[in-house]
Amino acid sequence: DQQVKQNSPSLSVQEGRISILNCDYTNSMFDYFLWYKKYPAEGPTFLISISSIKDKNEDGRFTVFLNKSAKHLSLHIVPSQPGDSAVYFCAASTVQTGANNLFFGTGTRLTVIP
Amino acid sequence: EAGVAQSPRYKIIEKRQSVAFWCNPISGHATLYWYQQILGQGPKLLIQFQNNGVVDDSQLPKDRFSAERLKGVDSTLKIQPAKLEDSAVYLCASSLDSLVPHEQFFGPGTRLTVL
Repeated sequence: DQQVKQNSPSLSVQEGRISILNCDYTNSMFDYFLWYKKYPAEGPTFLISISSIKDKNEDGRFTVFLNKSAKHLSLHIVPSQPGDSAVYFCAASTVQTGANNLFFGTGTRLTVIP
Repeated sequence: EAGVAQSPRYKIIEKRQSVAFWCNPISGHATLYWYQQILGQGPKLLIQFQNNGVVDDSQLPKDRFSAERLKGVDSTLKIQPAKLEDSAVYLCASSLDSLVPHEQFFGPGTRLTVL
């Protein structure tokens, strides 16, 4: 049972434009959400996170939006750069339970075209 | 700061053989995680340690998988005997602790191929 879903396996965007990556979840107990970026032959690296008490978190070119009622979050990258080309994973956890283990989506491969 | 180290990076074995993976977390990180990532899927948690105690191993196939974290630092994950469906990348991650939201830092992974 996939509790975190990324329905777009791939996305191509022109350099300088906005990239929007989407993620849906089913478990209403999730209270902390993260985005990870993964290059080939490397482990995922943390990008940005958001707590369920917020609806937006911004860090430079990266902004994550959370819509709890729709159980949906999105990652906006603007402007997109060729170095952003990677696989992006959405992840969620139930921090209140103390476990902090992450449930990952299947990933979206972003290609930024120069 | 040194990152999470894993070895080997690649391993090819035949089914029914045994294999072991090693992980050295970031210094000072109390929590260590092992994930399995099958091709085309996201990482799935196998086991989580807090220091040398197991916090969550609900998704670890205990009939063939085992893991330990002696002295609360390094960890090993073992598969015995391996099956074809165990072919995956095995990722180790660590975080400061599991009691508050802390980002998890991942190692490069070990790619296992079972023939």
